[in-house]
Amino acid sequence: GAVVSQHPSRVICKSGTSVKIECRSLDFQATTMFWYRQFPKQSLMLMATSNEGSKATYEQGVEKDKFLINHASLTLSTLTVTSAHPEDSSFYICSVGLEQYFGPGTRLTVT
Amino acid sequence: AQKITQTQPGMFVQEKEAVTLDCTYDTSDPSYGLFWYKQPSSGEMIFLIYQGSYDQQNATEGRYSLNFQKARKSANLVISASQLGDSAMYFCAMREGNYQLIWGAGTKLIIKP
Repeated sequence: GAVVSQHPSRVICKSGTSVKIECRSLDFQATTMFWYRQFPKQSLMLMATSNEGSKATYEQGVEKDKFLINHASLTLSTLTVTSAHPEDSSFYICSVGLEQYFGPGTRLTVT
Repeated sequence: AQKITQTQPGMFVQEKEAVTLDCTYDTSDPSYGLFWYKQPSSGEMIFLIYQGSYDQQNATEGRYSLNFQKARKSANLVISASQLGDSAMYFCAMREGNYQLIWGAGTKLIIKP
């Protein structure tokens, strides 16, 4: 399967700041990547589908101005949480390809 | 209506025993795929096994097998000879047509020594 990395693995930021999370597909060219968030003891919630070279498709209820997604190349997608608030604290995880190879996730804590 | 249902929020199983994790699904699309993932406490989602709706045989991957009963719309995961390292959350998911996965609520499996 594809090897997918995420950076950072953990991040703590102050309320009001922005945080960028990278998702890299190391050995698989992905025209499509997916961003999920997961609250403790819950299932994954799809936030958006990231499309290389075009705008992301956001799920209903996800603020696109708050969660900025950029998919500039076939191996990199970024999720920027803008003006983060404590309620944005969560586990963010990306996946690539039809087979949905997952990255290791990023734990965001907003203080 | 729930598209993916995992009825067991938690399970305790003795080490070396086999365990079956339940998953039922609901779809009218004739073409779909069913996935099982394992999520240990580290958070990483580990792909275990995949079953396509047109696959004639049940999928198997090492100690994992998928008991696919199409008429019943069930796709239970069977883990043979459970090990302590199998303790984790297990998620069933379905893909219909497009790329998106629809996720079940998960089952927390704890293997007792």
